[in-house]
Amino acid sequence: TQLLEQSPQFLSIQEGENLTVYCNSSSVFSSLQWYRQEPGEGPVLLVTVVTGGEVKKLKRLTFQFGDARKDSSLHITAAQPGDTGLYLCAGDGPFGANNLFFGTGTRLTVIP
Amino acid sequence: DAGVIQSPRHEVTEMGQEVTLRCKPISGHNSLFWYRQTMMRGLELLIYFNNNVPIDDSGMPEDRFSAKMPNASFSTLKIQPSEPRDSAVYFCASSLRGSHSNQPQHFGDGTRLSIL
Repeated sequence: TQLLEQSPQFLSIQEGENLTVYCNSSSVFSSLQWYRQEPGEGPVLLVTVVTGGEVKKLKRLTFQFGDARKDSSLHITAAQPGDTGLYLCAGDGPFGANNLFFGTGTRLTVIP
Repeated sequence: DAGVIQSPRHEVTEMGQEVTLRCKPISGHNSLFWYRQTMMRGLELLIYFNNNVPIDDSGMPEDRFSAKMPNASFSTLKIQPSEPRDSAVYFCASSLRGSHSNQPQHFGDGTRLSIL
């Protein structure tokens, strides 16, 4: 059972455009992480959000955690080719466990 | 500082053969995770260890898969016998388990496994 659904699955845009990626679940998470994975490498953590409604910015990337802590979004402003990669959201496991449930992923291609 | 180190980076073998994947976690990390990634199923957790003890192996697909962590600096994932459907990229990740579950996981670069 996939707990975290991401949309869109694939996204191809021109350099300079804005985009938003969504991560949705029917489950409540106490925290949610976003990772980016480049070809031939493992995922790398971008940010962790822990409070409902929280907004975090990382340069041109803006992350938001839903008020009910069931969903999150990633907005990229003025996308650049270096933003190309697979974006994964991950929610934490049950209380007391330290595993993560990874989303289905959004594969982003930014065309120069 | 060295990150998570996985070996080999690539493995091509014939079905029926035994495959052993290796992982060295980041020094000081006390949690280790094995994942499998495919286009169809995404990133799946196979098993994870806390302080070298297996905690949850519910993601291990079959008895053909086994994982060990004999000490804090080494883990193996073994497939015996291997089948073509085991072809995937296998990742190892480690983290520092604290009082909260939102500790970041640090991934290796993966082992790309192809079973012919």
